[in-house]
Amino acid sequence: ETGVTQSPTHLIKTRGQQVTLRCSSQSGHNTVSWYQQALGQGPQFIFQYYREEENGRGNFPPRFSGLQFPNYSSELNVNALELDDSALYLCASSLFPTDTQYFGPGTRLTVL
Amino acid sequence: RKEVEQDPGPFNVPEGATVAFNCTYSNSASQSFFWYRQDCRKEPKLLMSVYSSGNEDGRFTAQLNRASQYISLLIRDSKLSDSATYLCVVNMGGDGGSQGNLIFGKGTKLSVKP
Repeated sequence: ETGVTQSPTHLIKTRGQQVTLRCSSQSGHNTVSWYQQALGQGPQFIFQYYREEENGRGNFPPRFSGLQFPNYSSELNVNALELDDSALYLCASSLFPTDTQYFGPGTRLTVL
Repeated sequence: RKEVEQDPGPFNVPEGATVAFNCTYSNSASQSFFWYRQDCRKEPKLLMSVYSSGNEDGRFTAQLNRASQYISLLIRDSKLSDSATYLCVVNMGGDGGSQGNLIFGKGTKLSVKP
């Protein structure tokens, strides 16, 4: 196992609601990246956090936001949920500046 | 053109077969390369990094051709437990020393049958 944990495992929300997903990085890692994986697709990069600041962002709207805490854990917040936000949300931790990333088990979000 | 393209699959092979996965990437500035495997409804797990000189890990061999922007993965003597989706992954590297993000192919599903 990678030592990366995520919570919750599953979540069901309705359109327009807000959601917060959480990730604890592997011990010794200082960087967290978030990805969205729709069914049948590869993961898509949302953003990355290093030293508590956003360190790169993919093609996702501002209603996707995040935080990193001093212990390197991280949150992903999504506002105004849309049906298309239904997906597996993965976080990956790594040790900057190395580029190998290790994934947590993911949070499966369903938006109704 | 997609940034990372893989064989669409699925590949259905008998146990013991040799199977090859191919992948191309569009950005010549890409810096590092990986193969991940993903079991159904699970997270991607790092299978191996891919180096320009080629590298081998047991039954798995990865190759990189930077000139052709092509990556491959060969699995020899395939086992039932190799059944999974194989994801080709490229890291573009970042600006100003940032780490960059992983760009995934869509994945190729492999089913190994008895």
